[in-house]
Amino acid sequence: DAGVIQSPRHEVTEMGQEVTLRCKPISGHDYLFWYRQTMMRGLELLIYFNNNVPIDDSGMPEDRFSAKMPNASFSTLKIQPSEPRDSAVYFCASSLLLGVAFFGQGTRLTVV
Amino acid sequence: AQRVTQPEKLLSVFKGAPVELKCNYSYSGSPELFWYVQYSRQRLQLLLRHISRESIKGFTADLNKGETSFHLKKPFAQEEDSAMYYCALRVRSGNTPLVFGKGTRLSVIA
Repeated sequence: DAGVIQSPRHEVTEMGQEVTLRCKPISGHDYLFWYRQTMMRGLELLIYFNNNVPIDDSGMPEDRFSAKMPNASFSTLKIQPSEPRDSAVYFCASSLLLGVAFFGQGTRLTVV
Repeated sequence: AQRVTQPEKLLSVFKGAPVELKCNYSYSGSPELFWYVQYSRQRLQLLLRHISRESIKGFTADLNKGETSFHLKKPFAQEEDSAMYYCALRVRSGNTPLVFGKGTRLSVIA
């Protein structure tokens, strides 16, 4: 297995544009997490899914953020409209039965 | 609510010197503690977990429930240890994901 795969690796967009980040978890894992990493706040949990169902989205900063998991092998995190303060590295991670979490390589988002 | 505190944002040590990365947690129950490491331009990866009681890359960490700490230690730092280190906690008997500290950047100076 190639591990958790995220795309794109880098995204530069203008303020107000829609941004979609993608994640493919490790096959067979039943939990998927979206984290945001910034210098100021470190790693923040945004939302997580269990068997494709969102369990806790209390970490999603605003209504501009939304996440979906249409099937066991794909998830998206969408920001619409994007703002400069959304600039961060967004990580997707997956795990089996809330065991060890395996992370993707992250998407570095820059909103100008 | 669970909380993980890593008091140092940046820690610089000389090569060969001992290293201790501090981690304190707040949780009244039985936690599971982890250390994750992120080398430059790489993904976060698990370094060690307290239930394994193992030494990885020379690093060890002991869970001290009395002090609610899980400090990461290595007797002799190497340049390749330079990275971002995150302490994380999970409630052992609940359906909750990892809660991370804000991380400590370790810089090992030659």
